[in-house]
Amino acid sequence: DQQVKQNSPSLSVQEGRISILNCDYTNSMFDYFLWYKKYPAEGPTFLISISSIKDKNEDGRFTVFLNKSAKHLSLHIVPSQPGDSAVYFCAASVNGNQFYFGTGTSLTVIP
Amino acid sequence: NAGVMQNPRHLVRRRGQEARLRCSPMKGHSHVYWYRQLPEEGLKFMVYLQKENIIDESGMPKERFSAEFPKEGPSILRIQQVVRGDSAAYFCASSPPMGPISEQYFGPGTRLTVT
Repeated sequence: DQQVKQNSPSLSVQEGRISILNCDYTNSMFDYFLWYKKYPAEGPTFLISISSIKDKNEDGRFTVFLNKSAKHLSLHIVPSQPGDSAVYFCAASVNGNQFYFGTGTSLTVIP
Repeated sequence: NAGVMQNPRHLVRRRGQEARLRCSPMKGHSHVYWYRQLPEEGLKFMVYLQKENIIDESGMPKERFSAEFPKEGPSILRIQQVVRGDSAAYFCASSPPMGPISEQYFGPGTRLTVT
């Protein structure tokens, strides 16, 4: 039962353009959402988070948008850089106990 | 300022042997989470522990798997009588005591191969 879904396994974007990674969830009780970035042979690294009381959170080139009615969140990276090439996971939790992860989207930024 | 440490990084076991995976959380962190990543899949939650307590083990297989986080020392994920299907990357994450909800910091993972 996959409560957090990332339906695009891969995405390719030209350097300098916007990358949009999408994530859908089914559990309306989720109240905290996170994005992680993962390089091969390393653990995931926290990128950005958003709580359910907000609809947008921005940190530098990274912005996360939350649409609670659609149970959808997205991560925007602009401008995209080659170093952003990695696998991106979204995760969600209820009260910060158990975190549910999506299956990841592999982003390739083409120089 | 050491991050989350996991050892070993790679572990090879024959079917039927035991695997012990260790996780040392970041300094000041008292919450530990274990995840498993099977090939071509995302991270699956296994267990959430605080010092000397299992808070949520709903993601742990019912048999052969156990976890502990003693008062002193690292957290241990133990897999008895390993089978080929246990081959995966096992990640540990830690977080500080909850105030506002905080993010988890991941270790580099232990890649278990069962031959």
